[in-house]
Amino acid sequence: AQSVTQPDIHITVSEGASLELRCNYSYGATPYLFWYVQSPGQGLQLLLKYFSGDTLVQGIKGFEAEFKRSQSSFNLRKPSVHWSDAAEYFCAVGASGGSYIPTFGRGTSLIVHP
Amino acid sequence: GAGVSQTPSNKVTEKGKYVELRCDPISGHTALYWYRQSLGQGPEFLIYFQGTGAADDSGLPNDRFFAVRPEGSVSTLKIQRTERGDSAVYLCASSLLGPGSNSPLHFGNGTRLTVT
Repeated sequence: AQSVTQPDIHITVSEGASLELRCNYSYGATPYLFWYVQSPGQGLQLLLKYFSGDTLVQGIKGFEAEFKRSQSSFNLRKPSVHWSDAAEYFCAVGASGGSYIPTFGRGTSLIVHP
Repeated sequence: GAGVSQTPSNKVTEKGKYVELRCDPISGHTALYWYRQSLGQGPEFLIYFQGTGAADDSGLPNDRFFAVRPEGSVSTLKIQRTERGDSAVYLCASSLLGPGSNSPLHFGNGTRLTVT
């Protein structure tokens, strides 16, 4: 079965600074990878997804993520953070061709300082 | 278009009572998932439906939890004899295709259940 690790519980950045949120997965075959964002009191919104092809994927709100098979990572990045980006971010992994249910990490809370 | 709708948004109940949580998925989505999210944690899988049948209920914590999707659309999560440890946000999600496909999950806003 697959698993996801988000090593950072909290990340604090200044508005305008760059951002990288870490995600490591464990799965034997090619995974499907997702990043979701959750604002307080809201459901999870899909930011971006990787299935195959180009390992650098672009998402909504200026986010991007890079799949690195050798490092089993799918880190989320943004070049310049806005105060409205403050939220909880979840990485998730699914599996191709099987019956695996998408598994989520515990999340990283992003705090943005003015 | 309409997203995933969950009702009620908040539910407070007394220990030992029975509760039902409703999920109305996106029209045409064949797969429906229930997850539970405790404070400070990521969503934890409970049960997955493909059409009307529960294809995987391995995440249900015990037999007090049950879910149905009788017509392949709306689903109800039922919790009997609620316990304080059941307090959490219950999230419903739907996707066009099932797990193992590249269909992303679309989540509702969740039902916050508080057991007193």
